[in-house]
Amino acid sequence: EPEVTQTPSHQVTQMGQEVILRCVPISNHLYFYWYRQILGQKVEFLVSFYNNEISEKSEIFDDQFSVERPDGSNFTLKIRSTKLEDSAMYFCASSEYRVGGGAPGELFFGEGSRLTVL
Amino acid sequence: AQSVSQHNHHVILSEAASLELGCNYSYGGTVNLFWYVQYPGQHLQLLLKYFSGDPLVKGIKGFEAEFIKSKFSFNLRKPSVQWSDTAEYFCAVYFNNDMRFGAGTRLTVKP
Repeated sequence: EPEVTQTPSHQVTQMGQEVILRCVPISNHLYFYWYRQILGQKVEFLVSFYNNEISEKSEIFDDQFSVERPDGSNFTLKIRSTKLEDSAMYFCASSEYRVGGGAPGELFFGEGSRLTVL
Repeated sequence: AQSVSQHNHHVILSEAASLELGCNYSYGGTVNLFWYVQYPGQHLQLLLKYFSGDPLVKGIKGFEAEFIKSKFSFNLRKPSVQWSDTAEYFCAVYFNNDMRFGAGTRLTVKP
């Protein structure tokens, strides 16, 4: 069964450092997402991405964050200068979009990348 | 803005008890509805989804949910829970290429 894969599974970094989280979405999916879940809190939407540009982003997704699809398979989330409050589990997800208003398809989630900022 | 509300933060049940977790959303247009489950230490997994048709949707592991459009609700149910159902349950609403999650409900099932 196709799946979304994320690396690394766990990253520990110092405050102020740059972090790149990587995701490989399901190959025929066209929409990509990043979510995060701070320990004990709800899953929060960060950003959605389609056709090589951001479709929508939340207020959390400030100038410290960026996303990129550097090649045909990877989808990355970069945090330029990490803060303590960026410590969370970051989930990548992808979905298949059917042109013509059909069902958008479910979101398929990766297993998450745990980021710990010290 | 679209919002999703899960009113139960923590539910504690004994095995074999029946479960109903509430989910309400704010948008009145065409939406797609999902329930995801997150077992301890694991990633989010899809339990069930509703796009159209029969408003009573059956998912994996004996779960079902009913879409009531007039109430903007999509409650999750299971007739008889097991200890292995202990997890966090998230309702989600998909609209216009945007997925929004509820705050989650933690379910603890006592053996």
